[in-house]
Formats: sequence, structure tokens, C-alpha cells
Amino acid sequence: DTEVTQTPKHLVMGMTNKKSLKCEQHMGHRAMYWYKQKAKKPPELMFVYSYEKLSINESVPSRFSPECPNSSLLNLHLHALQPEDSALYLCASSLSYNYEQFFGPGTRLTVL
Amino acid sequence: SQQGEEDPQALSIQEGENATMNCSYKTSINNLQWYRQNSGRGLVHLILIRSNEREKHSGRLRVTLDTSKKSSSLLITASRAADTASYFCATDAGGNEKLTFGTGTRLTIIP
Repeated sequence: DTEVTQTPKHLVMGMTNKKSLKCEQHMGHRAMYWYKQKAKKPPELMFVYSYEKLSINESVPSRFSPECPNSSLLNLHLHALQPEDSALYLCASSLSYNYEQFFGPGTRLTVL
Repeated sequence: SQQGEEDPQALSIQEGENATMNCSYKTSINNLQWYRQNSGRGLVHLILIRSNEREKHSGRLRVTLDTSKKSSSLLITASRAADTASYFCATDAGGNEKLTFGTGTRLTIIP
């Protein structure tokens, strides 16, 4: 299985809502990533998990809260988001650093 | 901040022609990767070239790396309509754990 899955595909939420994005991989990869991508821009790294521990937080606002319950799962909890947080959120995984990353299809998030 | 700048920003060519896109970066790297993204979807890894390599091939793809000029190029030969996508270079210059993407080239193949 060489696939990274993400749910949901689309999410619309109000600024007072709490929601979660889910990412799953069964390739035995030990590094997992969250990226944010705005239209016509490159992906921007948000968080890196290595062996289920948060190793990088790219100064992401606390309204985004990552969680890695086990080596196959990565969640991104969302709370009190702003309209400017609307974007495509991409999850990726890799065997380790300096290896190719496998990306999921993304969650298209709209904050009203 | 973005590590890589890609050139051109957009490229339109006829099907069957070759497409070349370039990536420049600012600091030393361990490896450079190229990814493809179809409209609004996830990225697909194309090729990884390490800093001690100068050229790498994969099917219709040819990647070169010039560490002295801090630049790389991606050549797609005999282009097909299905090659229409955005192409990003990405480097680990920000640290081993990080992949920093370039600005991207939007490639359109005209049937």
C-alpha cells in the first residue's frame, strides 16, 4: 500500500467551530508532515513528526493543533480559525528525512 | 521563506515537444527533489537527486544539478497532454527535516 489518505476531502467551517483533519499511511514511514497550500503558491511546511514526536513547528498559530496518535495516523485539530486559513491542507509521509515524500490528496478547507 | 525560485513561472508547448524548467536555490543542500501537482490535488514525487550527483534519468524525465551554480533543471521529453501540471523543485536546505518548495512552473501541453 503506497497511499496516503486524507479525510475529509472538503471541509467548510465557521470561525467558532472545532474540526479535525485526518491523515493515514500504512507504508511504515516514520516521518509525517502537514503542509498548507494557498492557490497558485507552493506548499508551506507547518509541522513535522518523527517517530510520533513533534520535531518541527514552523511557528504555526495555536489554533492549529497537530496530533500523532500512532505511527500510521496524523491529525490536525482546528479551532477558532480565520478566513485567511482557507487553503488546501496536505499531509505527507516519508521513510525518514532526505527521502521522497508521499502526499495525500489534501483537504480543501474553507473558513467562513 | 522560499528556498527555490523556478523559471519560467508558466510554460505552454505543443504536445510532443520537450519542456525544460529551471530551479535556483540559495544555500547548500543534501538533495533536491522534483514534484508534480495536478490542479488542486496532492503532489507526486518525480525524482530525487543528491548533491554528489550531476544528472539523473527516469523515463522521459532528465534532471541535472549544478551545485556550483546552485541550480537544477528538469527536462520532460516528448511531452503529452497528461504532463499538464505544476512542477515544483524542493530542497532540504532548511535542515534535514524540512523540505522547502520553490515557486513552481505551470506547464500546459497543447494537444
